[in-house]
Amino acid sequence: GAGVSQTPSNKVTEKGKYVELRCDPISGHTALYWYRQSLGQGPEFLIYFQGTGAADDSGLPNDRFFAVRPEGSVSTLKIQRTERGDSAVYLCASSPGTGSVEQYFGPGTRLTVT
Amino acid sequence: QQQVKQSPQSLIVQKGGISIINCAYENTAFDYFPWYQQFPGKGPALLIAIRPDVSEKKEGRFTISFNKSAKQFSLHIMDSQPGDSATYFCAATPSGSARQLTFGSGTQLTVLP
Repeated sequence: GAGVSQTPSNKVTEKGKYVELRCDPISGHTALYWYRQSLGQGPEFLIYFQGTGAADDSGLPNDRFFAVRPEGSVSTLKIQRTERGDSAVYLCASSPGTGSVEQYFGPGTRLTVT
Repeated sequence: QQQVKQSPQSLIVQKGGISIINCAYENTAFDYFPWYQQFPGKGPALLIAIRPDVSEKKEGRFTISFNKSAKQFSLHIMDSQPGDSATYFCAATPSGSARQLTFGSGTQLTVLP
């Protein structure tokens, strides 16, 4: 079956602009995670959804970052007033849900803020 | 408390050799330890994982060794192949509902033909 998909694969934006990054999880997976991976580093947790609600947003760096998952499937990560330090690969992962720990990652969106 | 330390940063192995990557953790609440393989431009792919109630898990050429008392775990790749050349990340997640992964800093493995 289809894996996790993310769009766009690349996004270049100017400092101060607003961006939206989309994640389509594996069908039927109720848990969804966003991570951020800087060059040469391991991914860092941003936010976790179980169903429609953000169950843990402790990894969001500041209030410019926000994510939604209105129907419990597709999720959008939104970044306001982008800064050059936001440049990174944004990864989405999904998991079957409660009782299952395996997380399956998408290919990521490479965000470049100029 | 949440950190996972990984070594070495890079590793070069001859084809057919054994690749060994080590990780150490501090948080005793961690109860699931996966390894991910990542190729350039791709997302991390789940390779193998272990829980602390066993000391070793083997899947094909990949083996995880786990030492609960030392809070260390390692990945062994037997008969390493050029196609194994990638970046490998260890990770850990605590018990509970959120299950967010804490990753190591990665090991860039190069297997020479």
